[in-house]
Amino acid sequence: DAKTTQPPSMDCAEGRAANLPCNHSTISGNEYVYWYRQIHSQGPQYIIHGLKNNETNEMASLIITEDRKSSTLILPHATLRDTAVYYCIVRVDVWGSSNTGKLIFGQGTTLQVKP
Amino acid sequence: NAGVTQTPKFQVLKTGQSMTLQCAQDMNHEYMSWYRQDPGMGLRLIHYSVGAGITDQGEVPNGYNVSRSTTEDFPLRLLSAAPSQTSVYFCASSPGTGPYGYTFGSGTRLTVV
Repeated sequence: DAKTTQPPSMDCAEGRAANLPCNHSTISGNEYVYWYRQIHSQGPQYIIHGLKNNETNEMASLIITEDRKSSTLILPHATLRDTAVYYCIVRVDVWGSSNTGKLIFGQGTTLQVKP
Repeated sequence: NAGVTQTPKFQVLKTGQSMTLQCAQDMNHEYMSWYRQDPGMGLRLIHYSVGAGITDQGEVPNGYNVSRSTTEDFPLRLLSAAPSQTSVYFCASSPGTGPYGYTFGSGTRLTVV
């Protein structure tokens, strides 16, 4: 089962920031938070990941709460092309563990960016 | 770099037929995996490989075989196709099992009739 909880859908006005929440209250100390998105029926696209600290790259920012039980993906200036399903995933990266390399996808959040 | 290349893009099979879905990456990634996505659902892991010669099962391995003879290629074999295997199949790779993002292919849309 997925270890994250996300709202099923969200709307955002074009040009505004999109803030996508994710709850991962059972996250372990060595688990990273990853975000991917899937546009229409294309292959998922990696966005960003983090462990404890907030992270930023050219696509988005990731804010992780101090207790690590939740996080928020921020798209600073959403465009129509950001309309997609966004997946929040927690994953342990330990060689030889039973979860080695596995990404467990939940249902994600469908973000609709509107003009 | 071409990234992750999947072939074919579309395939129709009859029940009982076998076939191989191809996946190749040119990024020298150690880790490769196969997922399936059924309509309106998230992705489920079928098989994965942490390096050439090493494979393991994911969540839904039944009816599928894999092998990894080279770093670049990770084919998925359907042994005897069933309608329940109608799905979109995605291959993914990453540099290793550390904290890396995965690169996904564009998918193979398979219909079993």
